[in-house]
Amino acid sequence: GAGVSQTPSNKVTEKGKYVELRCDPISGHTALYWYRQSLGQGPEFLIYFQGTGAADDSGLPNDRFFAVRPEGSVSTLKIQRTERGDSAVYLCASSPGGLSAGDTQYFGPGTRLTVL
Amino acid sequence: KQEVTQIPAALSVPEGENLVLNCSFTDSAIYNLQWFRQDPGKGLTSLLLIQSSQREQTSGRLNASLDKSSGRSTLYIAASQPGDSATYLCAVNGGNKLVFGAGTILRVKS
Repeated sequence: GAGVSQTPSNKVTEKGKYVELRCDPISGHTALYWYRQSLGQGPEFLIYFQGTGAADDSGLPNDRFFAVRPEGSVSTLKIQRTERGDSAVYLCASSPGGLSAGDTQYFGPGTRLTVL
Repeated sequence: KQEVTQIPAALSVPEGENLVLNCSFTDSAIYNLQWFRQDPGKGLTSLLLIQSSQREQTSGRLNASLDKSSGRSTLYIAASQPGDSATYLCAVNGGNKLVFGAGTILRVKS
């Protein structure tokens, strides 16, 4: 079946611009996660959705970052006034329930964001 | 705050060798621990998941162990092959998120 998909695969933008990154989870998965991976590092947690609501947004670095999941499936990560330090690979993952249920996460291929 | 450390950071071995990758974590209150593989420019592929009540899991040439009380896990790869070359990531599940180590970059030479 189809896995987690992310669009675009690559995004180049200029400092100060606004960007949106999209994630399509596996059909039927109620939990959705966003992570950010900088070069040479492991992924770092940003936000976790259970259904339509953000169950944990403690990883969002500041108020320039925002994410939504209005219908409980597709999610969009939004970054305002981008900075060069935002350059990274943004990974999305989904799972059938939540991590506290012992579920594994299935990761998408990521969006590589470059801020010039 | 959970911290995950992986040793070594990089490893280069000849084909056919057995090898061990190490992962340590600071908070033993975890639901499970997972090992992932990441190929350059790709997403993460789950290799093995060990629930907190388990001691080890095996899949083919891979075996992962978990000692929750001491905060350690090892990934054992038997008879390594060039196709095993990738970055291996350890991640602990604290409930709402995975906390990852920085990874071990493995190169298997033919």
